[in-house]
Amino acid sequence: QIQLVQSGTDVKKPGASVRVSCKASGYSFQTFGINWVRQAPGQGLEWVGWVSPYNGNTRYAQRFQGRVTFTTDTATNTAYMDLMGLRGDDTAVYYCTRAVGFDTYCFGYWGQGTLVTVSS
Amino acid sequence: DIQMTQSPSSLSASVGDRVTITCQASPDISDYLNWYQQKPGKAPKLLIYGASNLETGVPSRFSGSGSGTDFTFTISSLQPEDIATYYCQQYDNLPLTFGGGTKVEI
Repeated sequence: QIQLVQSGTDVKKPGASVRVSCKASGYSFQTFGINWVRQAPGQGLEWVGWVSPYNGNTRYAQRFQGRVTFTTDTATNTAYMDLMGLRGDDTAVYYCTRAVGFDTYCFGYWGQGTLVTVSS
Repeated sequence: DIQMTQSPSSLSASVGDRVTITCQASPDISDYLNWYQQKPGKAPKLLIYGASNLETGVPSRFSGSGSGTDFTFTISSLQPEDIATYYCQQYDNLPLTFGGGTKVEI
């Protein structure tokens, strides 16, 4: 079955960087893009961006431009999100997600989420 | 960016009630709209895609309608297991954007 398994909870100080991983299984990893969505405590969902494991193309939401980098490792079927210059308002659960079909953004598969806490 | 305005932000209903949530898009997004259910501590679950298509395995009491700028999500007969927060999401254009959510309580 299709699974996305994310790395565990992380605590960082302001200004630090964090890497969240997302290991995919049960499908051809290069065939579907990986999107990242975050959710601050008690808040709604916010799209961070997208990466193509096929060619490495990325698209980032404007507010994260310059602070976030997505990469993929096709040897291990793993996607990574690196977020730099952490601030308190980056405290959130970060999800990786995959669409149910090609060329669409209907997210039928989600990782379990990774809580990133930014605190001094 | 496309703005998604979802209402109400919360509602309380009884088991068996019909529940309706609306989502307004600005500007027009055709039918590029999804609905998700999220229970506490869990990832969202896709219920409806393309405004009105029921995802495989989702109970038929859930439905969606609308196109353009106005969309509706309906639970025809609320069940205890439907207690959750529901989100709309547009995928007509990047960046993807979500509605603010509707918390459904009994």
